[in-house]
Amino acid sequence: DTEVTQTPKHLVMGMTNKKSLKCEQHMGHRAMYWYKQKAKKPPELMFVYSYEKLSINESVPSRFSPECPNSSLLNLHLHALQPEDSALYLCASSQDLGPRVQPQHFGDGTRLSIL
Amino acid sequence: LAKTTQPISMDSYEGQEVNITCSHNNIATNDYITWYQQFPSQGPRFIIQGYKTKVTNEVASLFIPADRKSSTLSLPRVSLSDTAVYYCLVVQSGGYQKVTFGIGTKLQVIP
Repeated sequence: DTEVTQTPKHLVMGMTNKKSLKCEQHMGHRAMYWYKQKAKKPPELMFVYSYEKLSINESVPSRFSPECPNSSLLNLHLHALQPEDSALYLCASSQDLGPRVQPQHFGDGTRLSIL
Repeated sequence: LAKTTQPISMDSYEGQEVNITCSHNNIATNDYITWYQQFPSQGPRFIIQGYKTKVTNEVASLFIPADRKSSTLSLPRVSLSDTAVYYCLVVQSGGYQKVTFGIGTKLQVIP
């Protein structure tokens, strides 16, 4: 069991649909992350939030829209996705983005399939 | 960010000690070395982190030579459940702590 919970575990959507991925942690962490992982590839960083503010956007297409409504929740809104966006989407959290390197705690991801 | 290089795959028999070496030739002074483990259909799990010399915890040891251009993750007496992908990362302290995963090492433990 992980301390970062992601829902749903699986999602199938058409290219015209709008859906959201959700991530929740109750460890009091103030940094949260979205990663994308294609099959047999390493995770790739998409977004970083620090104290509910977007700190890093790794040039992700606008069809992916992150949101951090409070310190425990992180959403990823999806709209007009392409088949190549099918992947495992991982959420992670860490204590903060302070001077010390903090381990990241990952959820088990949402496996997204675009039809 | 320092680029990391590690073997794509390794095989080991149960009960053996496994050493996975990672090269990071252009590591910077404020970079830390971190290792994660990932099982299929799960998110990565933090294993161990270090800056120099040797770090040990309940699951692994991390050896870092004085020049810090490489590091070795040591897993004592592996079992079948240690079959996973192991990622070596170099993470910059004092800022955004942007994390870049390398290709990882697929460890297969054989009965």
